Amino acid sequence: AQTVTQSQPEMSVQEAETVTLSCTYDTSENNYYLFWYKQPPSRQMILVIRQEAYKQQNATENRFSVNFQKAAKSFSLKISDSQLGDTAMYFCAFMKHARAGSYQLTFGKGTKLSVIP
Amino acid sequence: NAGVTQTPKFRVLKTGQSMTLLCAQDMNHEYMYWYRQDPGMGLRLIHYSVGEGTTAKGEVPDGYNVSRLKKQNFLLGLESAAPSQTSVYFCASSPTLGRGSYNEQFFGPGTRLTVL
Repeated sequence: AQTVTQSQPEMSVQEAETVTLSCTYDTSENNYYLFWYKQPPSRQMILVIRQEAYKQQNATENRFSVNFQKAAKSFSLKISDSQLGDTAMYFCAFMKHARAGSYQLTFGKGTKLSVIP
Repeated sequence: NAGVTQTPKFRVLKTGQSMTLLCAQDMNHEYMYWYRQDPGMGLRLIHYSVGEGTTAKGEVPDGYNVSRLKKQNFLLGLESAAPSQTSVYFCASSPTLGRGSYNEQFFGPGTRLTVL
């Protein structure tokens, strides 16, 4: 079974600064996908960024980027130029490759990020 | 396109009562999922469906039943609610696996259920 660990229950960052959220995972799979989801106070789950394990290049989406270290099973999220709207819970999630026949997202417990004006 | 919708948004039950949560999607997705989210926890999969008329158990299925009679709807039932089922419930859907190798899940807004 896969496990996803987020070791930072809460973090804060000054507006316009950069913050990095940590995520580690455990799996015996070689092909898989990793995700960061954002959950603002509205409760809506929003996909922030996705990384495919077979790609060496780190994914980037505007101010959001990841540092994917496959050997270390680490998948951190960097938010640059933090904005007040980034205040939310952030969840790291894992999904096996489709050929493994799994459809399940396995989530970490989340990191509560507060952006301070 | 409404995406994934959930009914109701909030509900309070007494122990032993039953209820059904409705999830609907208008994206013609094949796969649908029910998750629960408890304080300090990420989402955990309860049941899922890979097509109309099919259902399968997820990580935490006990105390819940599901049905997928229509492709666009996925119902989650609690036959005899218990306080341990107090949670926020999320429905999600995803398209058929095509040439891509994963299926992005699209989430509904959640239902907050309290069992007294």
